[in-house]
Amino acid sequence: GESVGLHLPTLSVQEGDNSIINCAYSNSASDYFIWYKQESGKGPQFIIDIRSNMDKRQGQRVTVLLNKTVKHLSLQIAATQPGDSAVYFCAEIVPHGSNYKLTFGKGTLLTVNP
Amino acid sequence: DGGITQSPKYLFRKEGQNVTLSCEQNLNHDAMYWYRQDPGQGLRLIYYSQIVNDFQKGDIAEGYSVSREKKESFPLTVTSAQKNPTAFYLCASRGTETTNEKLFFGSGTQLSVL
Repeated sequence: GESVGLHLPTLSVQEGDNSIINCAYSNSASDYFIWYKQESGKGPQFIIDIRSNMDKRQGQRVTVLLNKTVKHLSLQIAATQPGDSAVYFCAEIVPHGSNYKLTFGKGTLLTVNP
Repeated sequence: DGGITQSPKYLFRKEGQNVTLSCEQNLNHDAMYWYRQDPGQGLRLIYYSQIVNDFQKGDIAEGYSVSREKKESFPLTVTSAQKNPTAFYLCASRGTETTNEKLFFGSGTQLSVL
């Protein structure tokens, strides 16, 4: 899963397995979180989001879990497919003065082996 | 066809030259953002703008400048003061009606130094 550091964390899974990608955030005031998928040379694409008043949200083959007590977010991908291979980022909305800004995690490279 | 458009896709800069990256959106979004992404790294915020004629520095604003004269446009200038400009630049926009609004990304501009 994601962690602070210079190198991109990696996760390698077999096609058909479930994948879990983790993200730790630091700001307890964050109230909205998003997971993005980025394929090589492209912009990030929205996958799923969750508000801080929820602890779980499901989409198509994806589930996001939020644990505010330990400031931890996870993305679960069911029946992982080769097309899921990409870098996955978590993002949090952080109050910034009278505005808000998005802060991104380092990203996790998911590789799906056929 | 609504979306956010970045141009050019590839850009080359000579030493001491300023270059400008274009970002246009027709999503009627108030907020726009510029991120820098280095290989194997996460996204770092350069500048953002919550409204026309207003913008704020992000985490790595030195060597960059922006303008927001129109709601649809948020160009980024990489100045000669930016000594390490080679990176993938991503523009994004989002609505500001509520805090839980997604960030939409452009397809990115790869900037390289000749």
